[in-house]
Amino acid sequence: GAVVSQHPSRVICKSGTSVKIECRSLDFQATTMFWYRQFPKQSLMLMATSNEGSKATYEQGVEKDKFLINHASLTLSTLTVTSAHPEDSSFYICSPDRAHYNEQFFGPGTRLTVL
Amino acid sequence: AQSVTQLGSHVSVSEGALVLLRCNYSSSVPPYLFWYVQYPNQGLQLLLKYTTGATLVKGINGFEAEFKKSETSFHLTKPSAHMSDAAEYFCAVSDNQGGKLIFGQGTELSVKP
Repeated sequence: GAVVSQHPSRVICKSGTSVKIECRSLDFQATTMFWYRQFPKQSLMLMATSNEGSKATYEQGVEKDKFLINHASLTLSTLTVTSAHPEDSSFYICSPDRAHYNEQFFGPGTRLTVL
Repeated sequence: AQSVTQLGSHVSVSEGALVLLRCNYSSSVPPYLFWYVQYPNQGLQLLLKYTTGATLVKGINGFEAEFKKSETSFHLTKPSAHMSDAAEYFCAVSDNQGGKLIFGQGTELSVKP
């Protein structure tokens, strides 16, 4: 199977601080990474798509300067929420794209709470 | 463009009863359809998927779904609900097998003893 890890699983921070979330594909390489967020009692919404070694493509309404995505290697992608505010509190889930597989794999998610 | 609509944000059934979670999609290209389950504070687990071929798809934990192109539906069923089935269920569509997913709003399934 495909093993995807996210770290941290849960983080609480003060408003104005930056938080980095790591996503690792442990047993496969991913040239493409999808980042989703899920607000309470809502569905998953795609935030951005990144390809290894290039800039991420952000969905409409997602601030690229606020949500910095780095996909420096085929097994690691990071999402940094800069100057976090309470409205950024959400569940962030990564999804590395495994080539030639007909399903999408997801990380376990990171619960961000901004006070 | 693609979209997914899940009818009913909350479904409650008795243990042993039939589970039916509804999903309708819109797609301008042949869709790939998925059902995922999410337990509290966890990621998503794939239940089943339709890509091509047989329209009745069997998944894990006794779930199955039928792709009906004429009705643009992909409803999820399970003959007999178990307490452990209580979770959030998401229907999703993609225009290829490994690309980004468009999710429905989700349906919370409750199972009463």
